[in-house]
Amino acid sequence: AQSVTQLDSHVSVSEGTPVLLRCNYSSSYSPSLFWYVQHPNKGLQLLLKYTSAATLVKGINGFEAEFKKSETSFHLTKPSAHMSDAAEYFCVVTAFGGYNKLIFGAGTRLAVHP
Amino acid sequence: DTAVSQTPKYLVTQMGNDKSIKCEQNLGHDTMYWYKQDSKKFLKIMFSYNNKELIINETVPNRFSPKSPDKAHLNLHINSLELGDSAVYFCASSRAGGDTQYFGPGTRLTVL
Repeated sequence: AQSVTQLDSHVSVSEGTPVLLRCNYSSSYSPSLFWYVQHPNKGLQLLLKYTSAATLVKGINGFEAEFKKSETSFHLTKPSAHMSDAAEYFCVVTAFGGYNKLIFGAGTRLAVHP
Repeated sequence: DTAVSQTPKYLVTQMGNDKSIKCEQNLGHDTMYWYKQDSKKFLKIMFSYNNKELIINETVPNRFSPKSPDKAHLNLHINSLELGDSAVYFCASSRAGGDTQYFGPGTRLTVL
């Protein structure tokens, strides 16, 4: 069965410093992988997705993620954090069997300090 | 020009009541979904409809009944509300066969 593990429940960075949010996945096939962001009291916004075209995926707002099959990882990075990046981030994988069922990680709360 | 919209945004009600949450998408998508986000922010799919046909039905109490009058709408009706139903409910949509889902703003349900 597919699963997603976000390795940090909370990450705190200073404005202007790099961001790293870690995600490992487990899948018996080649899934699609996503990162979604949820700002406080808001809905989920797609940051980026991986669908096997390229291992380094660029998303919105300067975020990118690298798919590493050997490590079953899909970590999210950004070179320089902005105060507006403070939010909850979800790593997501598609489940095997069609019907586009998404499996969410538990989320990582990113805090950005001035 | 909202892509996926939900009403209401907030819903406060008493235990035992029946309530509905509405969802509409103007993206021309064929597939719509309902997710539940619990107090720990964990998100889990509840239902999915493709062209008004139910295709995903997770282990959800039968007090929850989705209804799709057309492919642009997927409503969620909940009977006999319980305290544990308090959560944020998200609607989403995607193209048939597509894997990117677009989410609505959520409905925060509080059962007292």
